[in-house]
This record gives sequence, C-alpha cells and structure tokens, in this order.
Amino acid sequence: DAKTTQPTSMDCAEGRAANLPCNHSTISGNEYVYWYRQIHSQGPQYIIHGLKNNETNEMASLIITEDRKSSTLILPHATLRDTAVYYCIVRSWGNEKLTFGTGTRLTIIP
Amino acid sequence: GAVVSQHPSRVICKSGTSVKIECRSLDFQATTMFWYRQFPKKSLMLMATSNEGSKATYEQGVEKDKFLINHASLTLSTLTVTSAHPEDSSFYICSASPGKVSNEQFFGPGTRLTVL
Repeated sequence: DAKTTQPTSMDCAEGRAANLPCNHSTISGNEYVYWYRQIHSQGPQYIIHGLKNNETNEMASLIITEDRKSSTLILPHATLRDTAVYYCIVRSWGNEKLTFGTGTRLTIIP
Repeated sequence: GAVVSQHPSRVICKSGTSVKIECRSLDFQATTMFWYRQFPKKSLMLMATSNEGSKATYEQGVEKDKFLINHASLTLSTLTVTSAHPEDSSFYICSASPGKVSNEQFFGPGTRLTVL
C-alpha cells in the first residue's frame, strides 16, 4: 500500500473547522484513503474513507484531490473531544491489513 | 453496532508470568482479528493476523512462541503473552473484521499491560 505523509501536529480553535492534510502521491487506482483517530489511551476509531469522490458522514468530510495524490479531512466544528491523533491510511480493497503511520496530533484549543 | 471489547482493560503482572488478553466482537461475527501493540508516543504496530479456525500469521520480528494467539470462534480471539518481561509492557489493541461482508476493522479499547 502507498505511504502517506501527514504533519506531526496541528492546533485548532474550538468551534472552528479543523482541516487535516494528507499526502499520498504514490497511491494507485485501487487504493482507498481511510481516516482513523485515536484518543489518548483508547483504541482507534474509524472516521471515514473514500476512493475518488468526496465523502461526508456525521463525523467529518473527506476531500480527495482530482489526481488523488492528496486529501484533507475536515472536522466542521471542532470540539475539545476531537483532540486526538489522526491517521491517514491508504489501503487497497481486499487488503485486510491497516498500516498506521505516525499521524497528526490535533489539539483543540478552548 | 460493530462493537469490540477487550478484557482486561488493565493488567499488572510479575516478570516471568503469562498474561491472557481476550478480544470479543459483541454484535458481529469476525472472520479475521488483528492484534496490535503500541508503545508510549508511538504508532500502532501490527503483531499478527488471525483467521477463525486457523493459525495466526505473525508479522516479521514478532515471536509466535511468545505471543500465542488463538481464534477459536467467530467472536473471540485471545492473545497470551508468555513469560512476560518488563519490555513487553505496552498497550495491546485488537481489531475485528467481518471479512466477506466487509473488510472494515473495528477496534477494541485496548489493554494496558505492565510487567514489573
């Protein structure tokens, strides 16, 4: 699966939109972009995934560039409970493994 | 739906003893379960993949005789850390996948192991 690159850390003010970028320039056609987050001392939580089209669910929106070489996870109205490490993972459908990188440590500031 | 539990959530043991951690899928059948380990301030590292009724597949560098994995049913997998040592102290996390229905992974809350 393709590698991903994320900023090490980010801050965002409470109530504002948090935009988390991810680069995956070597992504191939059958690979999906997944986002998980891990709140301190808990197991990872699935957020969203997509292939080509932008996706939205109750937690977040995923914007994937047309060339699919990068994506952005958007938390529209960040709350203090959104403070966590966010992992962007590229995985091909049918590959059961998830390979976690170092992620982005997002801190929501009151 | 898609809830995965782990037991215990926290365990402290003496060096040389064995510790068993259970991972259960509560509301779905998990054909595949995964075991991860996470050291402080580090990312999750996959240890092994287990399919119900068959032997686990271990990642490179993970000792299969030290980390015994059993996946005897579609809702339960166990990880036994044998002859634990202080360097085995870590956060152990399991995940479960429905398999043919979906290859999504649903994670447990993790087990904090401290070996004295």
